[in-house]
Amino acid sequence: SYELTQPPSVSVFPGQTASITCSGDKLGDKYACWYQQKPGQSPVVVIYQDNKRPSGIPERFSGSNSGHTATLTISGTQAMDEADYYCQAWDSGTPVFGTGTKVTVL
Amino acid sequence: EVQLVESGGGLIQPGGSLRLSCAASGSTFSTYNMNWVRQAPGKGLEWVSCISTDSSNIYYADSVKGRFTISRDNARNSLFLQMNSLRAEDTAVYYCATEGDYVLDVWGQGTTVSVSS
Repeated sequence: SYELTQPPSVSVFPGQTASITCSGDKLGDKYACWYQQKPGQSPVVVIYQDNKRPSGIPERFSGSNSGHTATLTISGTQAMDEADYYCQAWDSGTPVFGTGTKVTVL
Repeated sequence: EVQLVESGGGLIQPGGSLRLSCAASGSTFSTYNMNWVRQAPGKGLEWVSCISTDSSNIYYADSVKGRFTISRDNARNSLFLQMNSLRAEDTAVYYCATEGDYVLDVWGQGTTVSVSS
């Protein structure tokens, strides 16, 4: 079965850039999306189709996807960005989630 | 935009059954493929099942295949998940979500299922 691997944790100072990677076999040939989940809340889409932002998502969130790695970048990280982040791609028509990354704003 | 509200969760003994519901409002439910996704306590997101708009295509994760059944009633704007032969490892928050362009774009608030004796 298809697997997506993320680092368990990423730490960043306020105002700095956080980068979260998501690795999977030939992931660049698929669309990747990213979800933000805060404690006790449902996941929210922050990036879809590799690099598109839904309405209401701040411009500091951006995405890329090439080769075997998709990347979510948070520029000028704010305290409110502290959350768990999950990548997701589609394999054989069904969603596959990454292992998740906890972003801590120091 | 559609809004989703799950219900039907609770405490159930191993081997028992539970039926989850997901009520949709605010948009045309029948135009969305629908998914169930679960999250065990302290763990990541796990896709469970999906169903196409007309119920012609249905898929399950291997972990629930043969035990769970997804269905929908477009006339009632509702999605269901019948869960049989429940195990401790099925304990999780269960979310329903709409399927957009290569993304699960709208999620409900989740309903909690606890399987324990």
